[in-house]
Amino acid sequence: SQKIEQNSEALNIQEGKTATLTCNYTNYSPAYLQWYRQDPGRGPVFLLLIRENEKEKRKERLKVTFDTTLKQSLFHITASQPADSATYLCALTSTGGSQGNLIFGKGTKLSVKP
Amino acid sequence: DTGVSQDPRHKITKRGQNVTFRCDPISEHNRLYWYRQTLGQGPEFLTYFQNEAQLEKSRLLSDRFSAERPKGSFSTLEIQRTEQGDSAMYLCASRGTSGRALYEQYFGPGTRLTVT
Repeated sequence: SQKIEQNSEALNIQEGKTATLTCNYTNYSPAYLQWYRQDPGRGPVFLLLIRENEKEKRKERLKVTFDTTLKQSLFHITASQPADSATYLCALTSTGGSQGNLIFGKGTKLSVKP
Repeated sequence: DTGVSQDPRHKITKRGQNVTFRCDPISEHNRLYWYRQTLGQGPEFLTYFQNEAQLEKSRLLSDRFSAERPKGSFSTLEIQRTEQGDSAMYLCASRGTSGRALYEQYFGPGTRLTVT
């Protein structure tokens, strides 16, 4: 069955450093992959989407890479700030996903210390 | 606020009672999803509507769960005879048919259900 793993449950870094989060998937060939941010008690908020034919995508301080050979996506936040502290979720559209329902990883909780 | 709204935000109920949640999607979005999220887990898909048609249901959606979207606008999720295992955050999301909304799902704030 399709499986998504976000290897770290929690990541603690110092302000100003680059945070790197990992998402691995198995038994799947997604057309695209998405990253969401979730704050406590709130719904996820879309951040970035990367397609299978794209190696890298950037948005301000965010960068996502997508390696379909390794079946892995990396999510980077450069010059991290305490306001970046949140849980970050990786998501794929399920197989036969013309309906678009997402399969999420468990998320990585990022804490940026001042 | 033109985002996705959900009501109530919190619901505490006793085991065996029925509960109903409401979701109002972004008005121009014809696709609506329900997810369930428990502590420390990512959201898990429950069901999907395109307009008023319920096109997909997860195996997680037992017979005690029913969802409707009668006019293709708001949706309701009902849980009958609640069990303690139903305690979770219930999230609604909507998606459009063009531009960024073709892929991006817009989530509501969720309804946190506690079954005692």
